[in-house]
Amino acid sequence: GAGVSQSPSNKVTEKGKDVELRCDPISGHTALYWYRQSLGQGLEFLIYFQGNSAPDKSGLPSDRFSAERTGGSVSTLTIQRTQQEDSAVYLCAFGQVSYNEQFFGPGTRLTVL
Amino acid sequence: GQNIDQPTEMTATEGAIVQINCTYQTSGFNGLFWYQQHAGEAPTFLSYNVLDGLEEKGRFSSFLSRSKGYSYLLLKELQMKDSASYLCAVIDTNAGKSTFGDGTTLTVKP
Repeated sequence: GAGVSQSPSNKVTEKGKDVELRCDPISGHTALYWYRQSLGQGLEFLIYFQGNSAPDKSGLPSDRFSAERTGGSVSTLTIQRTQQEDSAVYLCAFGQVSYNEQFFGPGTRLTVL
Repeated sequence: GQNIDQPTEMTATEGAIVQINCTYQTSGFNGLFWYQQHAGEAPTFLSYNVLDGLEEKGRFSSFLSRSKGYSYLLLKELQMKDSASYLCAVIDTNAGKSTFGDGTTLTVKP
């Protein structure tokens, strides 16, 4: 996607371990989204940050999932005590204003063994 | 709850025209997006509709009817590279949260 980077590109972990996924933004974009996409499925909304407002966490599937955005820029998604059903591609996306198009990062493919 | 429906798969012939439909039922509406996603890649923006009517952009057009909760993406002069998944997404709150459909996998055959 247009300058959005994510790391790592691939992550293999053992069930029960914690993982941290990182998203680096396009400068000047204030809206940030995290999604996950299971094989052959659409995008599942996880969390949304807009400027300094409280994040919309309504899509987080459980309390094992959390996300933060530091200084309005870099964001990290943390999954604690990973489970096999957490295996998916995790995508972050940025937008200039929440209604405009979203620019997606390349994603992190998470595999929980 | 939020509900977005798209056909799972479609097949069309190179050079033809194909229409991918999307119907939605959401608690609010602040615009509808279409994205293209090639296998193993991130989604990329195709179109945005917020008012009723047709938006045309080259070979791709998108239509919206808010009263019917309906949109379609029209692809003309299909090319092999158009084989991809097409995702319909609705911005369903004033805060900008998007709900995505499961996508339509389009296969273009020679």
